[in-house]
Amino acid sequence: DIQMTQSPSFLSATVGDRVTINCKASQNINKYLNWYQQKLGEAPKRLIYNTNSLQTGIPSRFSGSGSGTDYTLTISSLQPEDVATYFCLQHNSGNTFGAGTKLELK
Amino acid sequence: AVQLVESGGGLVQPKESLKISCAASGFTFSNAAMYWVRQAPGKGLEWVARIRTKPNNYATYYADSVKGRFTISRDDSKSMVYLQMDNLKTEDTAMYYCTTMGIGWGQGVMVTVSS
Repeated sequence: DIQMTQSPSFLSATVGDRVTINCKASQNINKYLNWYQQKLGEAPKRLIYNTNSLQTGIPSRFSGSGSGTDYTLTISSLQPEDVATYFCLQHNSGNTFGAGTKLELK
Repeated sequence: AVQLVESGGGLVQPKESLKISCAASGFTFSNAAMYWVRQAPGKGLEWVARIRTKPNNYATYYADSVKGRFTISRDDSKSMVYLQMDNLKTEDTAMYYCTTMGIGWGQGVMVTVSS
């Protein structure tokens, strides 16, 4: 089974900051990596699919990159409404979520 | 718009069974693989089960933690997906989401396993 190691677990940043969240797979996942945002009390929402494709309706400050085993979600300029927990998901072989990154405002 | 509505959650005792359902609308259900994902209180997301489409023989896949106890099924004529949960354990307590893993996510249904 593929394991996903997500970091950091917790992140505190200021409005306007550039924020990066990382996921490392235990083996090559061929860019089959999605990113989800989950706000408190809500269902998850897909932000990015297949490493770098932006879901329709998601602000362009969100972007994804990576290849092989290493992937990154970047928020170019943090906004207050981005406070949430972020999860990565590999879907190259089965489905495995990362443990999540809780993002708060400093 | 894509809509997924779960139902059937509740409180059950260990070793009991429960079947949760998900009604889908707003997309061509028969063309979509469907998933159940759960989230224990205060914890992260865990993929539980997946069912593919008719051309893929409705193939099913399960997380090791539920294999042999849970069964996913679908009824394309009703745009419904189900999760039959048998021999429930306290560690199965979670919010269960029905999802396409894309833009379609339900609001979740709570399943509590406790004596």
